This record gives sequence, C-alpha cells and structure tokens, in this order.
Amino acid sequence: DTGVSQDPRHKITKRGQNVTFRCDPISEHNRLYWYRQTLGQGPEFLTYFQNEAQLEKSRLLSDRFSAERPKGSFSTLEIQRTEQGDSAMYLCASSSTGQPEETQYFGPGTRLLVL
Amino acid sequence: EDKVVQSPLSLVVHEGDTVTLNCSYEVTNFRSLLWYKQEKKAPTFLFMLTSSGIEKKSGRLSSILDKKELFSILNITATQTGDSAVYLCAVEEIGQGGKLIFGQGTELSVKP
Repeated sequence: DTGVSQDPRHKITKRGQNVTFRCDPISEHNRLYWYRQTLGQGPEFLTYFQNEAQLEKSRLLSDRFSAERPKGSFSTLEIQRTEQGDSAMYLCASSSTGQPEETQYFGPGTRLLVL
Repeated sequence: EDKVVQSPLSLVVHEGDTVTLNCSYEVTNFRSLLWYKQEKKAPTFLFMLTSSGIEKKSGRLSSILDKKELFSILNITATQTGDSAVYLCAVEEIGQGGKLIFGQGTELSVKP
C-alpha cells in the first residue's frame, strides 16, 4: 500500500494520560500535515512540516501538543495530559511540492477518545 | 477571518436524483479550492480548481469555480447509494504552505 498510513487507528485513554500518534506519508512526499476533526465539522489545521522542519503551528495547538518529523519521513503527534476536549479524529495528510497540483492525500486517521 | 461555508449542511435524495452542493469562501490570497469525499474514514480527493469557469468532470461528478463571486459547486448526477458521504470543500491560500481551510461539510444521504 503506497498511501498515507496512521497508527493506531483508535485510542481510548483516561484524562491526564499522554498519547502519541504516528503518521507515515506517501514516500516521495516532502510535506506532511496534521489536522483535527470533531463530529460534524470539517478538519482543522494543526501543523505542517516541509521535510523535517515544522513551518507552522495553529493556535489550536496548545503547549500540551507537540509534533516531530525527525528524519523528514514519518511524523509523530504527542498530546500530554489529555483532556476530554481532545477527543477527536486526528488526520494526517501529505503532499509533494514537486507536483503541478500539490494535492494533499489523507490517511485513515486516529480516533481518540479521552474518558 | 478566512472562512469556508458549505450549504446545505445535509441533504437527503433518492437514487437517480441530481444534487448540487455549494461552497462559498472568504480568504485573503486564494490559490485553489478542493473537494473531498469523506465516508466513515479519511477524506478522498475529488477535484482541485484554480481557474474560474473551467468545469472539471469525473464520471457523474463535476465541479466549477467562480472566483469573482467566490464560490464553487459540486454536481452529482444520477446519484447512487454509494454517493452517500460527507462532501468537504477546502481552500488553499498562497504562501501558507499548502494548509487547507475546510468548510463544515455537506452530509449527503442517497436513499434507494
């Protein structure tokens, strides 16, 4: 499978615990994006990387959130001290600046439930 | 503040009907508008529109952009139950690294 993959697909955790999600982009894609989607809403931008550099973070990304892309390939998104309001679908997407139309392709998402 | 608004928020039709989904936007430096289809999983790409008045088609789906009036429509003809999904509209701005601003989505339900 050459699409975007995410792991885990589902995560249930208790409030106050830390969680980490992983995203593997399409192999030749140099840009990687994280979005959050709550029920009945469209995805909201969180952050993005070009290669290993994190170039922008949304105001939605509080201090409890951190993202990395250490070698410019896979990325991780960590949420510390989870809160019930963090319950959402976390989507990863990737694209290539080398393509004429830099279309973003999405992974299947990680659905987080904080109890 | 930049925003993307879709209408209607939900729609119920019968197989064979034709539907039109609307997307209006207000962004500072428009680059492109994208349509995605989302079933119970990740959004899948449908169309990217950058120029006004040029229709893009894929099977029974088509879309067009009006950059003067700041909106786009997505048409689906001869709907099938497999078209049931949430349709998302997103806009990309110039110089923003490709991040997308999404609308709320239109939930389409096609009844047999």
